Amino acid sequence: SQQGEEDPQALSIQEGENATMNCSYKTSINNLQWYRQNSGRGLVHLILIRSNEREKHSGRLRVTLDTSKKSSSLLITASRAADTASYFCASSDYGQNFVFGPGTRLSVLP
Amino acid sequence: AAGVIQSPRHLIKEKRETATLKCYPIPRHDTVYWYQQGPGQDPQFLISFYEKMQSDKGSIPDRFSAQQFSDYHSELNMSSLELGDSALYFCASSYGTPRRSYEQYFGPGTRLTVT
Repeated sequence: SQQGEEDPQALSIQEGENATMNCSYKTSINNLQWYRQNSGRGLVHLILIRSNEREKHSGRLRVTLDTSKKSSSLLITASRAADTASYFCASSDYGQNFVFGPGTRLSVLP
Repeated sequence: AAGVIQSPRHLIKEKRETATLKCYPIPRHDTVYWYQQGPGQDPQFLISFYEKMQSDKGSIPDRFSAQQFSDYHSELNMSSLELGDSALYFCASSYGTPRRSYEQYFGPGTRLTVT
């Protein structure tokens, strides 16, 4: 079965810096989505990238997908303290359910 | 905009008791998914429903059952609760036929604590 894995597992940066989180998966996917989760709270959908797309932007977020390497990256530019959260990638094959990776805990220090 | 509603938000039960979690999808969404997230863990898919029929099944224990009703809300029934069932239970909803790539929108979760 496919499995999303993020790295790094924890990342601390200063406000204003860029944060890059990577995700790998193991089988063919239909799409991959990135979610944000504040501690103990719900998952907030950030961005969806389909298997035939290579890059997608949304505000300060940039997601890339490399299907040959079975990997994706989430870049947050000009980070803010409010970006502190855990970030998960979730991959979906041609079924419906997601497989989540372990998440990257991002800390943005003021 | 309306979001996914889950109730209750917090629930405390004792071992061997039963619990029922409810999920109300975004209006016009016809697919509901349930996920379990243990402390410090990533969310794990449990089960999903499309148009009131079970669509996909993940790591849902036999002690759990779920269904989707005619108004598209869903309930997750958990029996013979164990300490290891303590987790955050998320419901998500989406619109569209199975095997299409649609975004899933998550509810705030129900935090279940089994003592």
